[in-house]
Amino acid sequence: EVQLVESGGGLVQPGRSLKLSCVASGFTFNNYWMTWIRQAPGKGLEWVASITNTGSGTYYPDSVKGRFTISRDNAKSALYLQMNSLRSEDTATYYCTRDAVYYGLFDYWGQGVMVTVSS
Amino acid sequence: QITLTQQAESLWVSPGEKVSITCRASQSLRYTDGKHYLSWYQQRPGQRTKALIYHASIRTDGVPTRFIGSGSGTEFTLSIEDVQPEDIALYYCLQTLKKPWTFGGGTKLELK
Repeated sequence: EVQLVESGGGLVQPGRSLKLSCVASGFTFNNYWMTWIRQAPGKGLEWVASITNTGSGTYYPDSVKGRFTISRDNAKSALYLQMNSLRSEDTATYYCTRDAVYYGLFDYWGQGVMVTVSS
Repeated sequence: QITLTQQAESLWVSPGEKVSITCRASQSLRYTDGKHYLSWYQQRPGQRTKALIYHASIRTDGVPTRFIGSGSGTEFTLSIEDVQPEDIALYYCLQTLKKPWTFGGGTKLELK
C-alpha cells in the first residue's frame, strides 16, 4: 500500500524558515517524480514544487520560486521542502504527492501537514 | 498560465441522482500525443485527497464506474451517476499540460 507521511509543520514567524519532510513507502520511490501541493485554509489547491525521480530537475511556480527548494533522498525514500522567507500567504496545509508524470496525474496524496506563518 | 474555471462552487444533489461538474480551460489541454492533460480529484473531510480521473476520461484504479470523465479541448465534465452519500465532497480539476500546473477553484457537492 502506498503511504506518504508528512512532518515538520508548525507555527513560524514571517521571514523565517521551515523544512517539511515526507517519507514514502509501498512503492519504488526512485521511479517516481514527486510534488508538493498546498491548500490555504478554506481555499483551493495550488501546485508548489515538483522534482524528477533522480532529483536532477526541479520546478516551481513564480509564487515560491527563489524561496522554496524541493529535494529528495532516494536512499531514504524521503522528500523535502525547504521553505525560506516565509510569508503569511504561505499559510496552508502542504501535501506530499506521488507524481505519475507520464499520465499528468498526482495519483497518491499524503494526509497533509499544516504550516502557519504568523507573528 | 492556463486558467481552469469550475463555474459551480456548489451543487446540490439527492442520493441516486446524476450530477455533472464542469471545468473550462483557458486554452486547449490536448497535447501532441492526442491526450488531454486534465485530471479530477476528490476531497472528503478527514480523508486523503483521491485521484479519480486522468487524461480527461480514464478512471484510476478502484474508482467506481459511476464516475465518468468526458470532454475535450477546453471543456471537461466529471459526471457522477447514481450519487452515493460517500460522494459528497469537494471536486477539483487539474491541468498538467503546461507549467505552472493549475487547479480549478473546486466544486462542492452537497446533499439536498
